[in-house]
Amino acid sequence: QARLVQSGAEVKMPGASVKVSCKASGYTFTSFGITWVRQAPGQGLEWMGWISLYNGKTKSAHNVQGRVTMTSDTSTSTAYMELRSLRSDDTAIYYCARGWEAVSGSSWDYWFDPWGQGTPVIVSS
Amino acid sequence: QSVLTQPPSVSAAPGQKVTVSCSGSSSNIGNNFVSWYRQLPGTAPKLLIYENNRRPSDIPDRFSGSKSGTSATLGITGLQTGDEADYYCGTWDSGLSAYVFGTGTKITVL
Repeated sequence: QARLVQSGAEVKMPGASVKVSCKASGYTFTSFGITWVRQAPGQGLEWMGWISLYNGKTKSAHNVQGRVTMTSDTSTSTAYMELRSLRSDDTAIYYCARGWEAVSGSSWDYWFDPWGQGTPVIVSS
Repeated sequence: QSVLTQPPSVSAAPGQKVTVSCSGSSSNIGNNFVSWYRQLPGTAPKLLIYENNRRPSDIPDRFSGSKSGTSATLGITGLQTGDEADYYCGTWDSGLSAYVFGTGTKITVL
């Protein structure tokens, strides 16, 4: 049974960085990707980015580009997401999810399953 | 502001059927595959539908998905109190080069 377990809650000052980990088990880590999604309090889901675990390529959303780094350690089946220069509006629950990526002609196919339990990140002075 | 629009809420009585719409454009739904996620209160999202209309093995056939043009629809039959949750559509947006989620729909069982 595939499972993702994330690191614990974080409280950070504005301007600091946070690094969230996502440890995978129950499947071949490098056969899928990992996506990162966040959810601000009372808000919807916001896609942050994607890392392909078989070639290391990443894609990130425009609103966090330049502040986010997604990496992985295949020896421990763990993915990481680091967000720098934190602001108060980065306060959210951060989720990782195993991702499937495929292309059929010109049509892209992404789906995410399972998801980690979420990591609350609070940015406050 | 999401590029995928969903109704904020829908409601129905137990046992009834509900549908949730997801409206997009040719750069997202019109040319890419759609997935649907359910988020129960205080929990992580869970995949319900992928590739427009396919269900993971642990999702009952009460849940269905369809796509037509630049819109997608999630259907739930035999509504149960346990179906009260937020539901999100999602797809790749080729113009934005980003994955986008819908605005989310809260389903209430009356």
